[in-house]
Amino acid sequence: DQQVKQNSPSLSVQEGRISILNCDYTNSMFDYFLWYKKYPAEGPTFLISISSIKDKNEDGRFTVFLNKSAKHLSLHIVPSQPGDSAVYFCAANDGGATNKLIFGTGTLLAVQP
Amino acid sequence: DSGVTQTPKHLITATGQRVTLRCSPRSGDLSVYWYQQSLDQGLQFLIQYYNGEERAKGNILERFSAQQFPDLHSELNLSSLELGDSALYFCASSVSGSGNQPQHFGDGTRLSIL
Repeated sequence: DQQVKQNSPSLSVQEGRISILNCDYTNSMFDYFLWYKKYPAEGPTFLISISSIKDKNEDGRFTVFLNKSAKHLSLHIVPSQPGDSAVYFCAANDGGATNKLIFGTGTLLAVQP
Repeated sequence: DSGVTQTPKHLITATGQRVTLRCSPRSGDLSVYWYQQSLDQGLQFLIQYYNGEERAKGNILERFSAQQFPDLHSELNLSSLELGDSALYFCASSVSGSGNQPQHFGDGTRLSIL
């Protein structure tokens, strides 16, 4: 049962335009969400997170939006750069006494020069 | 550089063997997590340790075990290896073992079973 879903395996965007990566979740108990970027042969790198008490968090070119009623979050990258080309993973923390993360299957972003 | 160190980077072994993967967390982080990434799956949580104690378990096989030592480094032991155990194994660390905080990942150990 996939509790965190990234339905788009890949996305191609022109340099300078906006990249929008989407993520859906099924468990309403999730209270903290994160986005990671992963290059080949490297581990996931933490990008940005959002708590369930917020609906938006911004860090430079990266903004994460959370719609709790729709159980949906998205990552916006503006402007997109070729160096942003990587696999992006959405993850959720199920709260409680642990901090374990449940990951989506990832979206491969290709930013074309 | 996340500050999380995993060794070895690559490991090739045969079915039935036993291997140990090692992880050193970021300085100051007390919690360590292990994840498995197979070819056809995303990152799957295996187990979490906090300050030497097991905190949470995911879908970790009985053939797998882990521990966290007093210096906070962690080892993941995989025994009676099967072809299906071939995967990338990632270690992550965080400051504490609970609450809303990001985990920082190492570059993984690629395990290949022949």
